[in-house]
Amino acid sequence: RKEVEQDPGPFNVPEGATVAFNCTYSNSASQSFFWYRQDCRKEPKLLMSVYSSGNEDGRFTAQLNRASQYISLLIRDSKLSDSATYLCVVGGTGGFKTIFGAGTRLFVKA
Amino acid sequence: DTGVSQDPRHKITKRGQNVTFRCDPISEHNRLYWYRQTLGQGPEFLTYFQNEAQLEKSRLLSDRFSAERPKGSFSTLEIQRTEQGDSAMYLCASSQTGEGNTEAFFGQGTRLTVV
Repeated sequence: RKEVEQDPGPFNVPEGATVAFNCTYSNSASQSFFWYRQDCRKEPKLLMSVYSSGNEDGRFTAQLNRASQYISLLIRDSKLSDSATYLCVVGGTGGFKTIFGAGTRLFVKA
Repeated sequence: DTGVSQDPRHKITKRGQNVTFRCDPISEHNRLYWYRQTLGQGPEFLTYFQNEAQLEKSRLLSDRFSAERPKGSFSTLEIQRTEQGDSAMYLCASSQTGEGNTEAFFGQGTRLTVV
């Protein structure tokens, strides 16, 4: 089993749509969770951290379910500029290394 | 520029040659990661350091790969006897352990092409 698994994608959605990405992780002791965004031929950049209480940043909402070892990202009112690959990321503190999922590609079309 | 920097940005080499990449992390960061990324895949973990100590090396990494971080600052990744399958983007990232946000910041990567 992969340490971090994501929806395979790609997701093709019209502008204005709501889209949800899911991610599961295998190490129940993991402490840090993130969503990164990667544009074509660019390096990954942090989109948002994910907290147990859930967090929202504008059109983006991230949720963490520790019992199910599940992370989600919801994008509301999709924009053309949201087209990118979204990477689920786990770990990075204490004795844990930072591990990336394979990414889910999102295409938002006019 | 105080971000993560990698050198070179591009490298074309003949099969069988050795190559070395350098990464300069954000100065106050104690963790440094190396990842490999191929088209359509997420960054694949290779190895990481906390200060000068190499804490883990991926089982996927053959003995041809070696990384160092001699003074806990910059790091080098060497690939010996390169193979065509080594062609990929090699990404370096750094972070600071501790409470709060442990976001990893990436360099722009070194794109390796083995011909």
